[in-house]
Amino acid sequence: DTGVSQDPRHKITKRGQNVTFRCDPISEHNRLYWYRQTLGQGPEFLTYFQNEAQLEKSRLLSDRFSAERPKGSFSTLEIQRTEQGDSAMYLCASSAPGTSQRETQYFGPGTRLLVL
Amino acid sequence: AQTVTQSQPEMSVQEAETVTLSCTYDTSENNYYLFWYKQPPSRQMILVIRQEAYKQQNATENRFSVNFQKAAKSFSLKISDSQLGDTAMYFCAFILVSGGGADGLTFGKGTHLIIQP
Repeated sequence: DTGVSQDPRHKITKRGQNVTFRCDPISEHNRLYWYRQTLGQGPEFLTYFQNEAQLEKSRLLSDRFSAERPKGSFSTLEIQRTEQGDSAMYLCASSAPGTSQRETQYFGPGTRLLVL
Repeated sequence: AQTVTQSQPEMSVQEAETVTLSCTYDTSENNYYLFWYKQPPSRQMILVIRQEAYKQQNATENRFSVNFQKAAKSFSLKISDSQLGDTAMYFCAFILVSGGGADGLTFGKGTHLIIQP
């Protein structure tokens, strides 16, 4: 079974540039989550999709952050006008449908962002 | 809001020893799941073990087991016969069932476990 994949694995950008990250969930997982992890901290929840619907986005850090999942498969997370404080690891996770498994999330390897 | 507290920033034990990592959480809800995740130096987060709050029986997965004390809101992880490959950050995490997943996981700050040869 292929796990959650993320692309790119590393991204270096200059302050003010826009960046976009991609996440491909485990096939047939209808739920997809984005998290941010800063050094020495646990991941922080950002947003959640069930199929193509974004059911929670109030936890996105600012209006510079947006996410999409247009066809209910892969998802993208975009950060506009990046700031040095956006430097972090961005993690994606997915979970399966069904009441017995939907709360169990499987994580991808993450995208490490460095803003210069 | 739910909170998760891991009071041990770092622990170090000898290979083959047993080690217990602590986690406490705070919630007013009754139906939730608790997890332990492992994040090795390569930084891929791996699920170690899951516990449903409605189950009284403690979850076990091979060398990993939990001590779930619902009244005390405590959820510790015991690793038996520790191995060098167990060296990693360990995160305790919580999610409500009622949120349908929309709340996301709430994580503690993690415990850095070092297994010494």
